[in-house]
Amino acid sequence: GNSVTQMEGPVTLSEEAFLTINCTYTATGYPSLFWYVQYPGEGLQLLLKATKADDKGSNKGFEATYRKETTSFHLEKGSVQVSDSAVYFCALTTPPGGTSYGKLTFGQGTILTVHP
Amino acid sequence: NAGVTQTPKFQVLKTGQSMTLQCAQDMNHEYMSWYRQDPGMGLRLIHYSVGAGITDQGEVPNGYNVSRSTTEDFPLRLLSAAPSQTSVYFCASRQDRGRTEAFFGQGTRLTVV
Repeated sequence: GNSVTQMEGPVTLSEEAFLTINCTYTATGYPSLFWYVQYPGEGLQLLLKATKADDKGSNKGFEATYRKETTSFHLEKGSVQVSDSAVYFCALTTPPGGTSYGKLTFGQGTILTVHP
Repeated sequence: NAGVTQTPKFQVLKTGQSMTLQCAQDMNHEYMSWYRQDPGMGLRLIHYSVGAGITDQGEVPNGYNVSRSTTEDFPLRLLSAAPSQTSVYFCASRQDRGRTEAFFGQGTRLTVV
């Protein structure tokens, strides 16, 4: 079945440091890929997405590129802020053609803490 | 804009009790789903619905029931609560089952003692 694997956390950084959170996936066909963010005490919200190979999703200074050849969708930000402290989830949606069509599958989440 | 509304936000149950977690969306979305969030395990799909009158099981359906009588509402029922069901529950809706964004409720933190 489909699966998403994220780098182990938690990740602790100083303000203005560079961030990378690794995400790799296993899926049949060409899934859509997402990064969701969960701030303390809240539900998840979409951070960015990419729907085909070589697409780059970007939002709020975060970027991720859909790499079909390495089945990866790593999240990056050049300079993190304290307000970026949250849990980040990589996810995929299964494309048509199988019993899992439409299901949204999540990685285990990575806790990010940014210190001043 | 209300989006996805879940109630209650917190609940404590005794083992064996039953309850219903409510979920409503006002975006006319076809696709709704319930997840549970446990530490280190991400979000796991409990049940989902592709439209009114149509529901199906996710990866962890045991102990839970759902129904979808209207487009807007998708309640989750715990039949006989067990401590293993202590978790945070999220309802989500999407326009359809394609490459669309999911919108999440604020979550329900459930403790079963």
